[in-house]
Amino acid sequence: GENVEQHPSTLSVQEGDSAVIKCTYSDSASNYFPWYKQELGKGPQLIIDIRSNVGEKKDQRIAVTLNKTAKHFSLHITETQPEDSAVYFCAAFMNYGGSQGNLIFGKGTKLSVKP
Amino acid sequence: EPEVTQTPSHQVTQMGQEVILRCVPISNHLYFYWYRQILGQKVEFLVSFYNNEISEKSEIFDDQFSVERPDGSNFTLKIRSTKLEDSAMYFCASSLEGERVGAFFGQGTRLTVV
Repeated sequence: GENVEQHPSTLSVQEGDSAVIKCTYSDSASNYFPWYKQELGKGPQLIIDIRSNVGEKKDQRIAVTLNKTAKHFSLHITETQPEDSAVYFCAAFMNYGGSQGNLIFGKGTKLSVKP
Repeated sequence: EPEVTQTPSHQVTQMGQEVILRCVPISNHLYFYWYRQILGQKVEFLVSFYNNEISEKSEIFDDQFSVERPDGSNFTLKIRSTKLEDSAMYFCASSLEGERVGAFFGQGTRLTVV
């Protein structure tokens, strides 16, 4: 089955710097890759996603890149702010056929942005 | 902004007791999910539900677990006889077009089995 590896497990950056979180997946049939931000005491919140027919997607300070050949995808946060501090999860959607499937999550990256 | 709501936020129960975790998905969504997150670990898929039946379930979702959509708004997860290892944060999620579009998660219910 699908396996998603996420690195690093913790990341500390200075405010204003960029942060990059990387994930790899094993199943080449996966075709949808969302990123979630989880703040303390809250559920995961979808922040950006990318489909397998797209190489890069950007939304303001957040961007995601996908390399299907290498089976890895990355989250890039530019001009980080203290409120970006949270745990970030990548996920891969493994398609069983039709609309069925489920999200396989990475283990998470705890991002700390220091003022 | 529409959101998925879960109750209670924290549930403490004795081992062997039954618990029901409740969720109100986003009103026009068609797919519903339960995930769990053991403290410090990754989010794990439990079950997906569509058209009033389970569409997928993981190996975690054994006979002790069941889900139900008793009316047009609620979606529940029942654990019949809780074990210590069931202690975790349980997240309900819903989506409009299956997980292709990305599910919206509730804030979670922290279940503590003592």
